[in-house]
Amino acid sequence: EAQVTQNPRYLITVTGKKLTVTCSQNMNHEYMSWYRQDPGLGLRQIYYSMNVEVTDKGDVPEGYKVSRKEKRNFPLILESPSPNQTSLYFCASSLALGAYNEQFFGPGTRLTVL
Amino acid sequence: AQSVTQLGSHVSVSEGALVLLRCNYSSSVPPYLFWYVQYPNQGLQLLLKYTTGATLVKGINGFEAEFKKSETSFHLTKPSAHMSDAAEYFCAVSDQSADGLTFGKGTHLIIQP
Repeated sequence: EAQVTQNPRYLITVTGKKLTVTCSQNMNHEYMSWYRQDPGLGLRQIYYSMNVEVTDKGDVPEGYKVSRKEKRNFPLILESPSPNQTSLYFCASSLALGAYNEQFFGPGTRLTVL
Repeated sequence: AQSVTQLGSHVSVSEGALVLLRCNYSSSVPPYLFWYVQYPNQGLQLLLKYTTGATLVKGINGFEAEFKKSETSFHLTKPSAHMSDAAEYFCAVSDQSADGLTFGKGTHLIIQP
């Protein structure tokens, strides 16, 4: 089954404790991205990647890192999480860069930073 | 820069009634327009999209949307609401050079029995 998977689905952590949210897709997609969803703000893009070893900042990149060492994986790293990063995070992928291509979303990761 | 405005963070309709969710966009170039649906505790699922061609677009679950360039709108409709339509709906816009989608803030659709 073609899908985007994220782990963990739920995470509660404390301020300053490094964490990684994994994202993997099995569709051989080139383009992957991370969004955060906050009440009243919709989805905002954090980082995106057009292909292996190519990553770029989205609209709200501060406090986040990403890497794209393999085509299928695009982990989101929070080196020193803070409470304002409490949010619902979505990973997405599409065949290639370009608005024509549908983005497929993962199920989401709900992160709480205490 | 592009932007999306969804009118009404919450919309309530009776089961069997018309669903109308409003979306207006701004874009400096011809846009690509999308509607996504998010069911509780799930990720986003594409309902429909407009890229080029026919301005009336039909999607899944009986939804459709019409691209109106003169009004910069892409409203989502469904003739008869069903309880299973209760969800969050997001309108999104992109252009040919954009690196991703710009989402609206979402509209929570409530279906009254």
